[in-house]
Amino acid sequence: AQSVTQLDSQVPVFEEAPVELRCNYSSSVSVYLFWYVQYPNQGLQLLLKYLSGSTLVKGINGFEAEFNKSQTSFHLRKPSVHISDTAEYFCAGGAGGTSYGKLTFGQGTILTVHP
Amino acid sequence: NAGVTQTPKFRVLKTGQSMTLLCAQDMNHEYMYWYRQDPGMGLRLIHYSVGEGTTAKGEVPDGYNVSRLKKQNFLLGLESAAPSQTSVYFCASTQRRGTAYEQYFGPGTRLTVT
Repeated sequence: AQSVTQLDSQVPVFEEAPVELRCNYSSSVSVYLFWYVQYPNQGLQLLLKYLSGSTLVKGINGFEAEFNKSQTSFHLRKPSVHISDTAEYFCAGGAGGTSYGKLTFGQGTILTVHP
Repeated sequence: NAGVTQTPKFRVLKTGQSMTLLCAQDMNHEYMYWYRQDPGMGLRLIHYSVGEGTTAKGEVPDGYNVSRLKKQNFLLGLESAAPSQTSVYFCASTQRRGTAYEQYFGPGTRLTVT
C-alpha cells in the first residue's frame, strides 16, 4: 500500500534557527512529491513539488526540499525561520499513471516558531 | 479567478440530519476530490471524480455520497450524519494533463455533528 510518513508530529524552534521537517515515502508513491502548508483555519497551499530532474527543489517562502531516492525521503528545510512560518506542514505523494492525480498525505507536522 | 470555493464554511448538525457541501472551481479542472481532515491523521480521501458524471470511492467513503453533474461543481452529501463525521472537509481539484498533479484546495468546511 502507498504510504507517506512524517516522522515528527510537532517541531518547536526558535526564530531565525534552521528547521528540518522529515518525510519518508513508500516506493509506490515516489513519482511525484509535494509539501503543502496550512495556516490556522485555512486551506492547504503548495510550498514546493518534485516531479523529476534536480533532486533539490526550491519553493516559496525560502523553503527547499531534497528528494533522496535511496533513503526514500523528501525532507523539507529552511535555513532561518520566522514567526510567520508557524503552521502545519503536510508531505504528499502521488503515483501518476492511472492514479487520477490522487495523493497520499502524511499525518502532518506542526511547526511552532518561538520568539 | 476565485480558484476553489466551498460552501458553507461552518455547520452544526444533529445526529441523523442530512446536508450537502458544495465545491466549485473555475479553473476548468477535470479531476476533483473530497477529503476529511482529522487531528493527527492528515487528509484522507473520501471520494473523487475524474470528469463530469463520474465519481469513485476513496479511502473513507462510508456514510458519504457525491455527485458531479457539472464539471465545475462537486457535491458531498451526508444522508444521516453521525458524530464520527465531525471533521474539517476540504475540496481540491487538479488538471488532467500536464506533468504535475498539483492539487488546489478550497478553504474548508468545519462540520460538527452533535
